[in-house]
Amino acid sequence: QKEVEQDPGPLSVPEGAIVSLNCTYSNSAFQYFMWYRQYSRKGPELLMYTYSSGNKEDGRFTAQVDKSSKYISLFIRDSQPSDSATYLCAIGSGGSYIPTFGRGTSLIVHP
Amino acid sequence: KAGVTQTPRYLIKTRGQQVTLSCSPISGHRSVSWYQQTPGQGLQFLFEYFSETQRNKGNFPGRFSGRQFSNSRSEMNVSTLELGDSALYLCATSASGQLNEKLFFGSGTQLSVL
Repeated sequence: QKEVEQDPGPLSVPEGAIVSLNCTYSNSAFQYFMWYRQYSRKGPELLMYTYSSGNKEDGRFTAQVDKSSKYISLFIRDSQPSDSATYLCAIGSGGSYIPTFGRGTSLIVHP
Repeated sequence: KAGVTQTPRYLIKTRGQQVTLSCSPISGHRSVSWYQQTPGQGLQFLFEYFSETQRNKGNFPGRFSGRQFSNSRSEMNVSTLELGDSALYLCATSASGQLNEKLFFGSGTQLSVL
């Protein structure tokens, strides 16, 4: 079992939909959680960073962490075609400088 | 503040050649990590440098090497290129190299090995 599991998709939704992207992890030592957005032929761009259970909101994006279930989510409200990209989760433990990345979920928002 | 700069953006090489990629971190950032990204394997960690020292290393063969200079700029080298080395090579930097720090990525170098 991989340490971080993420469905590769693609996930196709109509413009304006609420999108839910998810990752599960197996290591209970993981303490901090990040979401990156990657457009084609570009490097990942940090969207959200959190280190606690619960929700963190930033504009149309909400990151949710459930440590008891080892499950993290990224919600995108009022999705736009410009949100079409690959979304990667990255999870790290307190004892390592190097986070573990999920494989990424490809999101397509069609007009 | 300028972001992470990687050069070149694209490279085409043939099997057996060697290649050097460059990464200039965000001003003030001292930790530099390198990743290989392929459609099949996702993002895989190569190595991380802090204060000119390799601090962490991923599970890649010795053909992959790197170094960091006193100004925090970093280079990675791949010798004896193989077809399977075709990938997007990404550099990520963080401010002080502490645990749990945010990573900032460059746009990557797309390497094609023919």
